[in-house]
Amino acid sequence: NAGVTQTPKFRVLKTGQSMTLLCAQDMNHEYMYWYRQDPGMGLRLIHYSVGEGTTAKGEVPDGYNVSRLKKQNFLLGLESAAPSQTSVYFCASRSGGDAGELFFGEGSRLTVL
Amino acid sequence: GQNIDQPTEMTATEGAIVQINCTYQTSGFNGLFWYQQHAGEAPTFLSYNVLDGLEEKGRFSSFLSRSKGYSYLLLKELQMKDSASYLCASMDSNYQLIWGAGTKLIIKP
Repeated sequence: NAGVTQTPKFRVLKTGQSMTLLCAQDMNHEYMYWYRQDPGMGLRLIHYSVGEGTTAKGEVPDGYNVSRLKKQNFLLGLESAAPSQTSVYFCASRSGGDAGELFFGEGSRLTVL
Repeated sequence: GQNIDQPTEMTATEGAIVQINCTYQTSGFNGLFWYQQHAGEAPTFLSYNVLDGLEEKGRFSSFLSRSKGYSYLLLKELQMKDSASYLCASMDSNYQLIWGAGTKLIIKP
């Protein structure tokens, strides 16, 4: 039972480089989320999706893009990485409809030099 | 605006009881969540309250007062493995979670 899987777990980028974080869930969840977590701050929502083919902006979407071509996958892209994007990124999913607990991936630690 | 407040850090002794408070202010309310996060790991679900009152689950209990915009997480019989950050999150009218910065709980022998 894999749950939510994120790849890669660690990555170091140079300013201006691009990369994609992949999130995969095997629980048939409708909703998927990308958060970033920085010291002293709560989890901040970057983008989210309420179903296959749909995406929406969260609290801090600038500098990121996402795609949800398949229900089980949610990709987070950085087109031109900046040092301010150094963070730990968490993907999460939950079933749709009313309130339900979020299931998190293990996190991806990204450093931008 | 939307805001979640919880203490930054707390210290308690193994075997004791600790209460972690959380106050929230969100646009609408669809429940209050508590998550546990060990250092370097993902948050894991602890509890969900949507009605006023106390929900007990083993050594952990969570309380909610909607009129006061207040919740607490009560941990009994503290164990060293309870050393972690505890995240409070309120679900707003759009079913989005608004997260507090977390309370780092340090357990001393």
